[in-house]
Amino acid sequence: QITLKESGPTLVKPTQALTLTCRFSGFSLDTTGVGVAWIRQPPGKALELVALIYWNDDKRYSPSLGSRVTITKDTSKDQVVLSMTNMDPEDTATYYCAHINAVAAYFDSWGQGTLVTVSS
Amino acid sequence: IQMTQSPSTLSASVGDRVTITCRASQSISSWLAWYQQKAGRAPNLLIFKASTLQSGVPSRFSGSGSGTEFSLTISSLQPDDFATYYCQQYNSYPWTFGQGTKVEI
Repeated sequence: QITLKESGPTLVKPTQALTLTCRFSGFSLDTTGVGVAWIRQPPGKALELVALIYWNDDKRYSPSLGSRVTITKDTSKDQVVLSMTNMDPEDTATYYCAHINAVAAYFDSWGQGTLVTVSS
Repeated sequence: IQMTQSPSTLSASVGDRVTITCRASQSISSWLAWYQQKAGRAPNLLIFKASTLQSGVPSRFSGSGSGTEFSLTISSLQPDDFATYYCQQYNSYPWTFGQGTKVEI
């Protein structure tokens, strides 16, 4: 059974950096084709892919977030870390991590999400 | 690739047949997934590759389409189905979601 859980601060100030950790079980990021994504959802709005990382360390980022975002993996700890710099109130959202199916690129398991509020 | 869902909100009754449409701004072949999201919960995968039902998902859900036009149909709406539904393309980066369709009573 695949499980994922997000952790990190619930409140950050504008211009500060954010670090979120996704700890997972039930799969390995050493397995060919497997990936983990970060997806966010502002309150009352739609889902947006932030970043993703594959077993081979291939990474993709949202063009709208550009160089503000970095995703890394620690296979030995079964975790993926998302870092975002220069946080803005518009970054207020629930951040989810999700498992990317090894056969095709959809999200077949999700964490419960963590709400991050950006406010002074 | 922009994904556009219609309608944004759909009012229906238990037992109704419901169809949600998703249009892609360019062809995505069959690389489309549908998710259901209930209030305060994470999304849940319903369908992938446009028409393949995820394991454990009730058979009243079905998907169809290819290219740029897709649909999600619930054959007989159940009380547990009142939620928001999202389509997502995974044909090319950045993968993108539709804006969602809320199915309400």
